[in-house]
Amino acid sequence: SAVISQKPSRDICQRGTSLTIQCQVDSQVTMMFWYRQQPGQSLTLIATANQGSEATYESGFVIDKFPISRPNLTFSTLTVSNMSPEDSSIYLCSVGSSLWGEQYFGPGTRLTVT
Amino acid sequence: AQKVTQAQTEISVVEKEDVTLDCVYETRDTTYYLFWYKQPPSGELVFLIRRNSFDEQNEISGRYSWNFQKSTSSFNFTITASQVVDSAVYFCALQYNFNKFYFGSGTKLNVKP
Repeated sequence: SAVISQKPSRDICQRGTSLTIQCQVDSQVTMMFWYRQQPGQSLTLIATANQGSEATYESGFVIDKFPISRPNLTFSTLTVSNMSPEDSSIYLCSVGSSLWGEQYFGPGTRLTVT
Repeated sequence: AQKVTQAQTEISVVEKEDVTLDCVYETRDTTYYLFWYKQPPSGELVFLIRRNSFDEQNEISGRYSWNFQKSTSSFNFTITASQVVDSAVYFCALQYNFNKFYFGSGTKLNVKP
């Protein structure tokens, strides 16, 4: 299994600001994904981070709000833009090595927006 | 459309009791995978098991066992002789369309000493 790290592990931000979350994997992976877990809720897929091209967003999520970069096969960033208290969540990065393969999750970034 | 239902929001048991977490799924796909993940208070998701749609064999791993029944679209998870360290939120998930995941709402398990 891949070892995944996320930075920061947690942050408290003011509304209207932006936060960039980093996801680093210890090996090259084909697929990287970003999920959101709102307080007491389940996980929801935000987007698939594609290397060398624009991310693929799920319904309800847009690039202007959640821009994603993936410059190589081991790294991705998710930015939460123009934050509001409703963005307070855990943001998780996950990776997969193949189609239908297992997915492993990073430790998550706990974001609180005040 | 895909759907995963975990009807039990929260379960409390006393240590050493057996407990079963229910998971019912919906999909029109013939190829899919089912997963269970554990999320302890630290927040990290821990992979427990993956089962593909063509393999209905039950599986046992130590105190954990899983019962997959396509006829009832269920993939239930049993912990035998529960321990306090089993306290966590458990998520059932459906993998479809190669790499998309749909997670259930989770079941919070409290194991009391």
